[in-house]
Amino acid sequence: DAKTTQPNSMESNEEEPVHLPCNHSTISGTDYIHWYRQLPSQGPEYVIHGLTSNVNNRMASLAIAEDRKSSTLILHRATLRDAAVYYCILSNFGNEKLTFGTGTRLTIIP
Amino acid sequence: NAGVMQNPRHLVRRRGQEARLRCSPVKGHSHVYWYRQLPEEGLKFMVYLQKENIIDESGMPKERFSAEFPKEGPSILRIQQVVRGDSAAYFCASSPISGTYGYTFGSGTRLTVV
Repeated sequence: DAKTTQPNSMESNEEEPVHLPCNHSTISGTDYIHWYRQLPSQGPEYVIHGLTSNVNNRMASLAIAEDRKSSTLILHRATLRDAAVYYCILSNFGNEKLTFGTGTRLTIIP
Repeated sequence: NAGVMQNPRHLVRRRGQEARLRCSPVKGHSHVYWYRQLPEEGLKFMVYLQKENIIDESGMPKERFSAEFPKEGPSILRIQQVVRGDSAAYFCASSPISGTYGYTFGSGTRLTVV
């Protein structure tokens, strides 16, 4: 499985944008980039995914580097409810299991 | 539109007893996945099932653990003769077709073996 690297932790002030980086230098051409987050005592929650182009949804934006070796999850205006562990995961057809790393623990400062 | 329902939320078992964890996927989802999360660790894949079929059980311990997803009813993860090391949060996820388009996770079952 292609591996991802994320910072262990990050802090951000409430109501400011947050940029969560992820490196995936061994990504293959068919790997999708997924982001999930896990709030305390909850199951993971799907945030966003993409293949090559940048993606936007109601939760976040995903910016994918042109060479696809890195990506950034962007929360446009962080709230206290965004405090969670964020996981960047690669997945492709025919390999249905997600490989969770340790993720980035995001702390939001009021 | 209910999400993935897991029950019970908390389960306490004595060593040697059996634990049965249930997962009802999102309505219309035919793919179910089970993950285990040990304290302070990331989630680890256990098994991937479709209706009446085990597709990938590469993450399942070889003994004491089994999973099923019958034609009717929820998916069941069964742990026989539980030991303290089985204490963990067990999460179920479902997807409509391939999970490449995103999985919906349940809130998990927290198993404590005493």
